[in-house]
Amino acid sequence: ETGVTQSPTHLIKTRGQQVTLRCSSQSGHNTVSWYQQALGQGPQFIFQYYREEENGRGNFPPRFSGLQFPNYSSELNVNALELDDSALYLCASSLGPNPGGETQYFGPGTRLLVL
Amino acid sequence: KNQVEQSPQSLIILEGKNCTLQCNYTVSPFSNLRWYKQDTGRGPVSLTIMTFSENTKSNGRYTATLDADTKQSSLHITASQLSDSASYICVVKQSNYQLIWGAGTKLIIKP
Repeated sequence: ETGVTQSPTHLIKTRGQQVTLRCSSQSGHNTVSWYQQALGQGPQFIFQYYREEENGRGNFPPRFSGLQFPNYSSELNVNALELDDSALYLCASSLGPNPGGETQYFGPGTRLLVL
Repeated sequence: KNQVEQSPQSLIILEGKNCTLQCNYTVSPFSNLRWYKQDTGRGPVSLTIMTFSENTKSNGRYTATLDADTKQSSLHITASQLSDSASYICVVKQSNYQLIWGAGTKLIIKP
């Protein structure tokens, strides 16, 4: 176990709805990264939060937004859900904002299904 | 275009056998390369990380190699076990925060 938790584990939504996914980082970690992983694909970087501020963003539209709290836990919000948003959403925490240098510890993920 | 390609897409081997997974990348500038193991429905777990100057790195029965000149890496698994059944993902770091992920190789170990 990595100490990174995510909730909920599974979620079913319909097109147009909004969803909030949550992540608690490993104790002592101040950086959280979010990834989207479609079935049979590698994870795609959404964005990263370091000390409550967005520190980098992948190629995702603005309807994907996030938040990091003072305790370094984080939320991923997706508005106006589309069918293609169906995926496993992974949260990873690390000691610093340099995921290439610092080891990232992944949570178990939230599987989102959009109908 | 910065890409990471892995082969084969899937692989089935018998328990106890060895196997080698391949990763080719075109990511530039290169900083490091990492192999992850991802069990079905779980988050990835880091196996090895290698920088430009490292050719080989081992973690138990897992041995990763890196040829920065040809931009190729391999992950060799020795004496496979049923618990090795998972997806193995190659990830190349491009910048301070951007990681380029491969699609993974799905490995199935049969008894």
